[in-house]
Amino acid sequence: GENVEQHPSTLSVQEGDSAVIKCTYSDSASNYFPWYKQELGKRPQLIIDIRSNVGEKKDQRIAVTLNKTAKHFSLHITETQPEDSAVYFCAARFRNTGFQKLVFGTGTRLLVSP
Amino acid sequence: DTAVSQTPKYLVTQMGNDKSIKCEQNLGHDTMYWYKQDSKKFLKIMFSYNNKELIINETVPNRFSPKSPDKAHLNLHINSLELGDSAVYFCASSPRSGVTNIQYFGAGTRLSVL
Repeated sequence: GENVEQHPSTLSVQEGDSAVIKCTYSDSASNYFPWYKQELGKRPQLIIDIRSNVGEKKDQRIAVTLNKTAKHFSLHITETQPEDSAVYFCAARFRNTGFQKLVFGTGTRLLVSP
Repeated sequence: DTAVSQTPKYLVTQMGNDKSIKCEQNLGHDTMYWYKQDSKKFLKIMFSYNNKELIINETVPNRFSPKSPDKAHLNLHINSLELGDSAVYFCASSPRSGVTNIQYFGAGTRLSVL
């Protein structure tokens, strides 16, 4: 089936610490994995994505790693800041009758305390 | 210029009523989506249209009927509203093809059924 599991559901860190969010997906044919950030009351927005032909991608303080064999991928945020507080969603692209769709994880609420 | 805009932002209504939510995108994308985000923040796809054609229809009650008059618009009509329909509904759009499936979300419509 089409399934994306995400852990943890909540994560509290001190400002300056690192945060790691992990996801696993069910379909080995999935080839695209975006991460979205949703601030309170706002829309989800893409922060970083990775394709299956790449093992790691970095953009300033955020990075994503992908292990295709194990079918899991992770978001790493270093030197966290209070404005990183939000709900983070991972997603994996699945093929559905010739068309592709994103299936989202259940979200991780990250709280960064000053 | 808002890329994906949906109206209304808030919708409060009584059980049993019929209501519509409208979505428009000016990104030139071929594909549009409706997502439901419940109180636990789970983000679940409901429908997807590609160039006015329905391509994804998840297990959604048939009280929900999407309509796409052209590829820039995707509306959602809900009949006989129930308490469990209370949620935030997000419209999104993406390019049809390509190696990624970046989705751009609207600001959401918060539906409260009383």
